[in-house]
Amino acid sequence: DAKTTQPPSMDCAEGRAANLPCNHSTISGNEYVYWYRQIHSQGPQYIIHGLKNNETNEMASLIITEDRKSSTLILPHATLRDTAVYYCIVRRGTYKYIFGTGTRLKVLA
Amino acid sequence: GAVVSQHPSWVICKSGTSVKIECRSLDFQATTMFWYRQFPKQSLMLMATSNEGSKATYEQGVEKDKFLINHASLTLSTLTVTSAHPEDSSFYICSAPGTGGRGGNQPQHFGDGTRLSIL
Repeated sequence: DAKTTQPPSMDCAEGRAANLPCNHSTISGNEYVYWYRQIHSQGPQYIIHGLKNNETNEMASLIITEDRKSSTLILPHATLRDTAVYYCIVRRGTYKYIFGTGTRLKVLA
Repeated sequence: GAVVSQHPSWVICKSGTSVKIECRSLDFQATTMFWYRQFPKQSLMLMATSNEGSKATYEQGVEKDKFLINHASLTLSTLTVTSAHPEDSSFYICSAPGTGGRGGNQPQHFGDGTRLSIL
């Protein structure tokens, strides 16, 4: 599975957009990009995933670069409840996820 | 939506005892489930892949005799930590791939985890 690289931590002001980057420069053509978040002492929560097109749902938007070597998760209006560790995962069809270190996002009041 | 349930959510037991953790897919069937372990302030580490009706596949460095996995039905996988010791204290999380979607791109759904403390 492709490795992902994320910044270890980020801060974001409440109400502002949080943009979380992920580098996956060794991604192959059939690998999807998944984003999850983990709030303290809970299991990871699915946010969004995509292959090559940008995706949007009620939680977030996912922007994937044209060469697919990086992506950005956008939380349009961050709230205090969005404080969590965010994981970017690249996976092909075996379902096996390999978690990187993630980004610890702190939303500030 | 798809829900994965883990039980118990928290367990404390004495060193040397065995502890069983259950992972259930509540509204879908899962021929495959995954078990992870997470130490404080660290990421999730995949331990093994649980396969319904066959042996589990363990990741390198994970002792299969220590962490027994049974996947006897399409909705239940169990992880038994045998002869647990304090170093086995950790947060154990299971997951199962959702159904639907194309080309095997279904996201996984995670349980809420089991915090195991061995005294």
